[in-house]
Amino acid sequence: AQSVAQPEDQVNVAEGNPLTVKCTYSVSGNPYLFWYVQYPNRGLQFLLKYITGDNLVKGSYGFEAEFNKSQTSFHLKKPSALVSDSALYFCAGNDYKLSFGAGTTVTVRA
Amino acid sequence: NAGVTQTPKFRILKIGQSMTLQCTQDMNHNYMYWYRQDPGMGLKLIYYSVGAGITDKGEVPNGYNVSRSTTEDFPLRLELAAPSQTSVYFCASTPERTSNYGYTFGSGTRLTVV
Repeated sequence: AQSVAQPEDQVNVAEGNPLTVKCTYSVSGNPYLFWYVQYPNRGLQFLLKYITGDNLVKGSYGFEAEFNKSQTSFHLKKPSALVSDSALYFCAGNDYKLSFGAGTTVTVRA
Repeated sequence: NAGVTQTPKFRILKIGQSMTLQCTQDMNHNYMYWYRQDPGMGLKLIYYSVGAGITDKGEVPNGYNVSRSTTEDFPLRLELAAPSQTSVYFCASTPERTSNYGYTFGSGTRLTVV
C-alpha cells in the first residue's frame, strides 16, 4: 500500500521568495507520486508527477518537485513565489487508486 | 473538450432525503472515481469504477451507491442523507490504471445536509 503525508497545514511566504511544500511517502515498491493544486471553489489541477527517471521533476506554472528516496520525500518547490500561487496543495500517491495527503494551504503575501 | 462535468454545483438536502450527483466525462476514460473533501482531511475515496458495468468500494462507501452503465457517466447516489455527508464531492477520471497518468477532476458539488 502507498500513503502520503503533508506535515504542514500552512505555509506562508513573501512574494519573490522560494516556496517549498513538503510531502513524505511510504510505499512498498516503486512510488508513483503527484502534486495537485486547488484554487478556491475549483477542482484539483494536476501540477506534476514522478514515476521513474530524474529525481527533479518539472511541472506546470514554474513548479518542480524533488524525489528523494533516502528521505522518502517528494517536496514541491518554486524558486520565486507569486501571490497567484496562493492555493491549497495536495500531494498524492497512486497505488491503483490515488491517496491524498491532507493538503497544505499556501499563502503568498505581496 | 468539456473534461469532467459535475452537476449540480450546490445543493442543500434535508436529513433523510435522497439525491444523485451526476458526473460525465467526454474523454473516453475507463477509470472514474468519486471523492469527498472535508476540511483538513484531504480527499477520501468513496467509490471507483474501472469500466462500464464494474464498480468497487473505496475508503468511505457507507451511505452511498454508484452505477456505471456507460463509459461516460458515473453517478453517485445518496439514499438517506445525513449531516455527516455534508462535504464537497469531486468526480475524477483517468484513461487507465497505470500510475503515470494524472487524474482529471470535475469542479465539485458542494452538498449541505440540514
